[in-house]
Amino acid sequence: GNSVTQMEGPVTLSEEAFLTINCTYTATGYPSLFWYVQYPGEGLQLLLKATKADDKGSNKGFEATYRKETTSFHLEKGSVQVSDSAVYFCALSDSGAGSYQLTFGKGTKLSVIP
Amino acid sequence: SAVISQKPSRDICQRGTSLTIQCQVDSQVTMMFWYRQQPGQSLTLIATANQGSEATYESGFVIDKFPISRPNLTFSTLTVSNMSPEDSSIYLCSVGAGEGQPQHFGDGTRLSIL
Repeated sequence: GNSVTQMEGPVTLSEEAFLTINCTYTATGYPSLFWYVQYPGEGLQLLLKATKADDKGSNKGFEATYRKETTSFHLEKGSVQVSDSAVYFCALSDSGAGSYQLTFGKGTKLSVIP
Repeated sequence: SAVISQKPSRDICQRGTSLTIQCQVDSQVTMMFWYRQQPGQSLTLIATANQGSEATYESGFVIDKFPISRPNLTFSTLTVSNMSPEDSSIYLCSVGAGEGQPQHFGDGTRLSIL
C-alpha cells in the first residue's frame, strides 16, 4: 500500500533560519506529491505540488523537488518568518486505476520565533 | 480552485446527541470526501461521498455512526451520531479535482463533546 513518512516535530526555528522538513513515500503506482499547510484554527491549504519526477513545486518561498530515485519530496525554505508557524503535511495521490484518495504523513509542527 | 464552505465552524455538544455538518461547494464536483483530524494528529479519511449513491466508508467507520448524504454535485452532509468524548475532533470536507490531483479543503468543523 501507499505511505508517507515525514520528520517528527515539533520544529522550532529562529526567524530567517533555513527550513527543511523531510518527507519520503512508498507508492504502488506513480504518485503526485503535495505539501499542505494548516495554520492555527484553520483547514488545510495546498502549499505546492509536483506530478512527475524532477518537478519542482514552489509557492510563498517554499520549494520541494520530486525525487523518484530517493522517493523523497523534502520541503525547504531559505528564510522562515514568524507567519510560517503552522503544521505542514506531506501527502501523495497515487495515479493508479482512478484513485482519488490522498495519503497523508503525520504532520510536522513548525514554530518560528522572532 | 473551488471555494468550500463548512458549517458550523465549531460546536460544543452533549454526550449522546448528534450533529450534522454541512459542506457547500461553489461549483459542481464529482468527488467529495470527509476526514477526521483528532487533536494533534493527521487526517484520517472517513468516507467518500458519492452523488446519487451510498457513501464509501473506510475501515473503522460505519454508516450508522457517520451517515453521509450527497444530494447533488455541490453539497454534502456528515452526521456524527450518538456522540461521545472520543468524537471530539476536527471534521473536514474536501473536493477532488481528478485522479492524481490535489484535494481542496474546507476550514473544518471543530467539535467538542462534553
